[in-house]
Amino acid sequence: NAGVTQTPKFRVLKTGQSMTLLCAQDMNHEYMYWYRQDPGMGLRLIHYSVGEGTTAKGEVPDGYNVSRLKKQNFLLGLESAAPSQTSVYFCASSYSYTADTQYFGPGTRLTVL
Amino acid sequence: GIQVEQSPPDLILQEGANSTLRCNFSDSVNNLQWFHQNPWGQLINLFYIPSGTKQNGRLSATTVATERYSLLYISSSQTTDSGVYFCAVGEYNFNKFYFGSGTKLNVKP
Repeated sequence: NAGVTQTPKFRVLKTGQSMTLLCAQDMNHEYMYWYRQDPGMGLRLIHYSVGEGTTAKGEVPDGYNVSRLKKQNFLLGLESAAPSQTSVYFCASSYSYTADTQYFGPGTRLTVL
Repeated sequence: GIQVEQSPPDLILQEGANSTLRCNFSDSVNNLQWFHQNPWGQLINLFYIPSGTKQNGRLSATTVATERYSLLYISSSQTTDSGVYFCAVGEYNFNKFYFGSGTKLNVKP
């Protein structure tokens, strides 16, 4: 099992450009999450999904959109990137919310110039 | 949202020493996890522990949910234990997780 994978690993954008980050899991997990981690801080939840076709807002959703068209994939989109979105983005998945831990991908380091 | 406070923010240990990391949270939770972020940035789950005590080798964790805190114990620390330790809690009925700012551990040989 590959676990949770993220594509790409690194990306540099110019202000105003758009991009999509892909998260894939092969553990048949229902729950998937997108977080961002800024220097010296913990992770903050951007959006999450409780199953195929569902999405919901987390703590810091502004400027991001998500889609979960297939159970194994969770996409995070930036429509018009801003320097404030420079961060490391982590995807995670879990079987359930109350009875399981989250499994994290390796992260995507995004720089917006 | 739930406030999560971790202490101490930084910790330097000599190899072989023991340590206790603390996580306080501001509201009732139905999920609590401890993670280790290694120097390469990878997040590794250590414990899923919404209540009670668990042990895994040199690591153990205790959560007292009624008093809203959790403790992570590291015994006989090794240089490979270095990194940042995060506590994450799950909010009732909202499927949302909140992370603390972490404890940065440096174990010196």
